[in-house]
Amino acid sequence: QVQLVESGGGVVQPGRSLRLSCAVSGFTLRNYGMHWVRQAPGKGLEWVAGIWYDGSNQNYADSVRGRFTISRDNAKNTLWLQMNSLRVEDTAVYYCARDEAVAANGNVDYWGQGTLVTVSS
Amino acid sequence: EIVLTQSPGTLSLSPGESATLSCRASQNVAAGYLAWYQQNPGQAPRLLIYGASSRATGIPDRFSGSGSGTDFTLTISRLEPEDFAVYYCQQYGTSPRTFGQGTTVEIK
Repeated sequence: QVQLVESGGGVVQPGRSLRLSCAVSGFTLRNYGMHWVRQAPGKGLEWVAGIWYDGSNQNYADSVRGRFTISRDNAKNTLWLQMNSLRVEDTAVYYCARDEAVAANGNVDYWGQGTLVTVSS
Repeated sequence: EIVLTQSPGTLSLSPGESATLSCRASQNVAAGYLAWYQQNPGQAPRLLIYGASSRATGIPDRFSGSGSGTDFTLTISRLEPEDFAVYYCQQYGTSPRTFGQGTTVEIK
């Protein structure tokens, strides 16, 4: 069955960096676009970034553009989110999610369980 | 970006009753590319409806979606105990994809 497992979350000081990973199984990663979506404590869902099936194109929310980088390695069945210059307002549970479309502009059908990132001094 | 406004914020109902959730977009949602997700506390969102009205795999037929343009509706007939949760709409027809703020369906 389709599985997405995030890791790498934790507590980090403002201005520091963190790298999240998402290991996938149960499907062929190279056939799908992928996303990161976050949810601040007690709040709603916010799309963060998306990447094409082959990694050739990425899109970002304005709130993270220039600070976060989404990438993937299809051979390793892994998606990453490199987060630099972290801010208190980046505190959230980060979910990786699968897009049915290769260009990451379609329906998001499966989600991981999320990893919590807390930015605090 | 397209702003999605969900109403009501909270719906208090009893098991067996029907729920009607609304999602209104600030602009036309291209090609009806609207999805509905269910989220229980501490869990990841689960896809219910995509393309405004298509049920995702394994979703019971008591969940139905309708609408087009800027107005969309999720209907849950005969609420079961496991249906009491938070529901989000999401549009993916225009970048960036955006979510509504959520509707909580709680037990009355």
